Amino acid sequence: AQSVTQPDIHITVSEGASLELRCNYSYGATPYLFWYVQSPGQGLQLLLKYFSGDTLVQGIKGFEAEFKRSQSSFNLRKPSVHWSDAAEYFCAGYMNTGFQKLVFGTGTRLLVSP
Amino acid sequence: EAGVAQSPRYKIIEKRQSVAFWCNPISGHATLYWYQQILGQGPKLLIQFQNNGVVDDSQLPKDRFSAERLKGVDSTLKIQPAKLEDSAVYLCASSLGRGANEQFFGPGTRLTVL
Repeated sequence: AQSVTQPDIHITVSEGASLELRCNYSYGATPYLFWYVQSPGQGLQLLLKYFSGDTLVQGIKGFEAEFKRSQSSFNLRKPSVHWSDAAEYFCAGYMNTGFQKLVFGTGTRLLVSP
Repeated sequence: EAGVAQSPRYKIIEKRQSVAFWCNPISGHATLYWYQQILGQGPKLLIQFQNNGVVDDSQLPKDRFSAERLKGVDSTLKIQPAKLEDSAVYLCASSLGRGANEQFFGPGTRLTVL
């Protein structure tokens, strides 16, 4: 069955350090992939998306993600983390015929230490 | 542009009581989604509407959950009777159309069933 896996439940990064959040998908074809961020008490905000073309996509707030078909991955990166980046991050993908249903991973909670 | 509106933001009820949530999507968005997000998990699609018709309700527990979008704009999700395991955040999202479109999320309603 199609699925999205985020292997890290929690990650702690020092402010100013680089960040990489992992996302793997299980699907026989190329999915449409998204990264969302959820701050406490807020809905999900789209950071970036990959549909096709350039495998390195740029998003808002200085985030980027790279689609690697060979590794079935779509990892999220940021070169320098700010305290305001502390939140829950969700990887999601459309991975079915007609791309009708968005499947989410379980999320990674990012903690930023001073 | 106004975002997706949801109310109430918080609700506490006792088991076996009923509860209703309201969602007003972004103007012009034909597709509306209801998700259930249990603590520590990613959002799970409950039901998807295209205008006022149901596209997918395969994961909606129909013995206790119901949803409607009578005029193709705002929507109501109801739980009757509620169970302890229904405690979750209920997210509403909307998109321009079906398929691999960006979904815009509301702030959610946090339901606690005692």
